[in-house]
Amino acid sequence: EIVLTQSPGTLSLSPGERATLSCRASQSVSSSYLAWYQQKPGQAPRLLIYGASSRATGIPDRFSGSGSGTDFTLTISRLEPEDFAVYYCQQYGSFSWTFGQGTKVEIK
Amino acid sequence: EVQLVESGGGLVQPGGSLRLSCAASGFTFSSYEMNWVRQAPGKGLEWVSYISSSGSTIYYADSVKGRFTISRDNAKNSLYLQMNSLRAEDTAVYYCARVSSWYDLDYWGQGTLVTVSS
Repeated sequence: EIVLTQSPGTLSLSPGERATLSCRASQSVSSSYLAWYQQKPGQAPRLLIYGASSRATGIPDRFSGSGSGTDFTLTISRLEPEDFAVYYCQQYGSFSWTFGQGTKVEIK
Repeated sequence: EVQLVESGGGLVQPGGSLRLSCAASGFTFSSYEMNWVRQAPGKGLEWVSYISSSGSTIYYADSVKGRFTISRDNAKNSLYLQMNSLRAEDTAVYYCARVSSWYDLDYWGQGTLVTVSS
């Protein structure tokens, strides 16, 4: 099973700052099957990025994804107040889905 | 508008059973693969089970294999999760989610809480 490790665990930033979140896989992941989600307290996760770098419908262009192989990144170019949340990466492979443990982006 | 609405959660004793349902609307349910994903209180997301659009292909996480059964009724636009031999560690919010062609989960329900406790 592929293990996804996200870093940092918590990111403390101010509105307007740039956020860079990392997702590292224990073995190579197909870029086609790497996604990012945002989850706010009491809400279901929301798809942000699929295929490592494609924004889902309605997602603002301040969110971008990049990477390949074992290293993937989610970047939020300028944090808006509504972006403070927990972010998860997810991969599909070998008939199963795995998620990273999450990165919390909190207001500094 | 795509909607997924889970129901059937509640409090159950260890060793007990529960059946979750997910009602789908706003899309052609029979054309999409579906997943169940759970989230223990204060924890991250854990994939539970997958079912193909026809129901002919099914996968389970090792943690629930042999205890949980996923199924669907395309005529009723509904997804199900039969959970038997429940354990305390099965306590979680259970989400149904639609699988996209890129194998991400593009729509999620609001979740239903399952609490396993005596």
